[in-house]
Amino acid sequence: GDSVTQMEGPVTLSEEAFLTINCTYTATGYPSLFWYVQYPGEGLQLLLKATKADDKGSNKGFEATYRKETTSFHLEKGSVQVSDSAVYFCALSGPEYGNKLVFGAGTILRVKS
Amino acid sequence: DVKVTQSSRYLVKRTGEKVFLECVQDMDHENMFWYRQDPGLGLRLIYFSYDVKMKEKGDIPEGYSVSREKKERFSLILESASTNQTSMYLCASSSPSTSGTYEQYFGPGTRLTVT
Repeated sequence: GDSVTQMEGPVTLSEEAFLTINCTYTATGYPSLFWYVQYPGEGLQLLLKATKADDKGSNKGFEATYRKETTSFHLEKGSVQVSDSAVYFCALSGPEYGNKLVFGAGTILRVKS
Repeated sequence: DVKVTQSSRYLVKRTGEKVFLECVQDMDHENMFWYRQDPGLGLRLIYFSYDVKMKEKGDIPEGYSVSREKKERFSLILESASTNQTSMYLCASSSPSTSGTYEQYFGPGTRLTVT
């Protein structure tokens, strides 16, 4: 079935380091792709999205590009801050999924000062 | 901004009690969802609803029921709470965006402990 695979965490980085969190997907159609972030003790927030191949989503210094040829949507940030410590979820959705979200398992990011 | 609110942030109930978790959204979204989140298991869909009085089972509906009497409100009911229902419960809502995507907007979550 369709699925989303994320790199396992936790990912531990020092402040100002470069961040990559890998996300790959398997899908029969052409889904939209999302990154959600969950800060400690809170619900999920939409971080960024992309709706078609080669689209780049960006927000708060984070970026991800929809790569159809590699079925990937890796999250990147050039310089992380302690406040970026959270759990990051990659997800896909679309009409063929009844507009439900298919989530990855989540990746814990810890940023040390 | 879309706002999804949940009735409680923290809840402690006893085994066998009937538990109601309430979720309200203020953006006139058609779709609403209930998830539970457990360490190592990620997010799992319990129930969802595409319209008033409509409900669909998600991946783990056993032990739960839902009610959607009004468009803005979606309630999750634990008929007889058990300790294995101790979890974080997240509500979400969605409607098509201007780009046609169905991103979901989440509430802050209810951490339920069943003793």
